[in-house]
Amino acid sequence: QQQVKQSPQSLIVQKGGISIIICAYENTAFDYFPWYQQFPGKGPALLIAIRPDVSEKKEGRFTISFNKSAKQFSLHIMDSQPGDSATYFCAASESGTYKYIFGTGTRLKVLA
Amino acid sequence: KAGVTQTPRYLIKTRGQQVTLSCSPISGHRSVSWYQQTPGQGLQFLFEYFSETQRNKGNFPGRFSGRQFSNSRSEMNVSTLELGDSALYLCASSANSDTYRNYGYTFGSGTRLTVV
Repeated sequence: QQQVKQSPQSLIVQKGGISIIICAYENTAFDYFPWYQQFPGKGPALLIAIRPDVSEKKEGRFTISFNKSAKQFSLHIMDSQPGDSATYFCAASESGTYKYIFGTGTRLKVLA
Repeated sequence: KAGVTQTPRYLIKTRGQQVTLSCSPISGHRSVSWYQQTPGQGLQFLFEYFSETQRNKGNFPGRFSGRQFSNSRSEMNVSTLELGDSALYLCASSANSDTYRNYGYTFGSGTRLTVV
């Protein structure tokens, strides 16, 4: 029940295309859902986050869509660029636990 | 503003030895968390400290321990190292008690531990 399932494991997209990564969870007590971007040799960096009372949040080319009834949330990267090539992790947090449960990661490669 | 600093960056240890990893959070940050990252298991929560108190601990054996000092710097220790402990150990900090749920964590670049 504590797992966050992330798919796909890897993704190859052409420059200018849309990258979509989906995460699913079971624990309905999760109420904060961040996405992290990690480049090789670096720690993860916060990209964008959402709470269940919002169905969509957009920051630049990055959009989170949240479907509470399906217990799924997704990251959309519009106009994908080679510089977006990285590993993306979704995560979920429950109030009072002081931790994130991370998905297993998606390795994105954007072809020039 | 300096980021989260982890030392050392790389470490090679022998099975059975113990190791101590260090983390200096962003200045003013009082919450420090540790995560283990491996290709097979992804990012797994180890523990979280706030004002020198451990508030939560992940499902790791007792060989994994940590502490936080009054200046918010943190250390984690792994005793009796096993081959399976080889991983990237990430430290993350946030400003206050629940800031991680509003502004996320800031991660360091990690310590790469190899156990041979």
